[in-house]
Amino acid sequence: ELKVEQNPLFLSMQEGKNYTIYCNYSTTSDRLYWYRQDPGKSLESLFVLLSNGAVKQEGRLMASLDTKARLSTLHITAAVHDLSATYFCAVDMVGGRDDKIIFGKGTRLHILP
Amino acid sequence: GAGVSQSPSNKVTEKGKDVELRCDPISGHTALYWYRQSLGQGLEFLIYFQGNSAPDKSGLPSDRFSAERTGGSVSTLTIQRTQQEDSAVYLCASSRDRFSGNTIYFGEGSWLTVV
Repeated sequence: ELKVEQNPLFLSMQEGKNYTIYCNYSTTSDRLYWYRQDPGKSLESLFVLLSNGAVKQEGRLMASLDTKARLSTLHITAAVHDLSATYFCAVDMVGGRDDKIIFGKGTRLHILP
Repeated sequence: GAGVSQSPSNKVTEKGKDVELRCDPISGHTALYWYRQSLGQGLEFLIYFQGNSAPDKSGLPSDRFSAERTGGSVSTLTIQRTQQEDSAVYLCASSRDRFSGNTIYFGEGSWLTVV
């Protein structure tokens, strides 16, 4: 059964600092998604990563995928308060025995002014 | 429509009653997904449809849960004989298809409270 582990689960950081959220998964997949969720809101798609070595950037956020290490990272550069939210990674098992998209537990990010 | 539409947005029901949650995906999207999110928790995969077909129903928590999709569009998630542990946000999402790695868009959710 696919397991998706994010760490840290909670992160409090100062504005202007850099940090990385890690997403490890247990079964082969080359398809991974990152989402943002604000309190009481639904999920907003950030990145879709579809191959080994994929890297995507949007503003202060950059996501990458290493399928051999079964690891994706979401890097935050020079954090600002507006980035405070919960971030989820999700691994897609399309075509596999368990044809599902499994989410990590989320990383709750709190950026202090 | 412009986005994934879910109804009702909020539902309070008595334990033992049946509820139906509706999802209207983005026009043209053939893949539709249902998730459950309990308070402060991650997302639990329930079921997905490609067209009208749901290849794997093993994610449904119990036989009280069922889902259908007709006409390749609207889907209904039905919970029979609701229990308090069914209280959660039920999120629906859609994408162009299941296989191409397209962006998956989520609706605002149906907040279910069983009292």
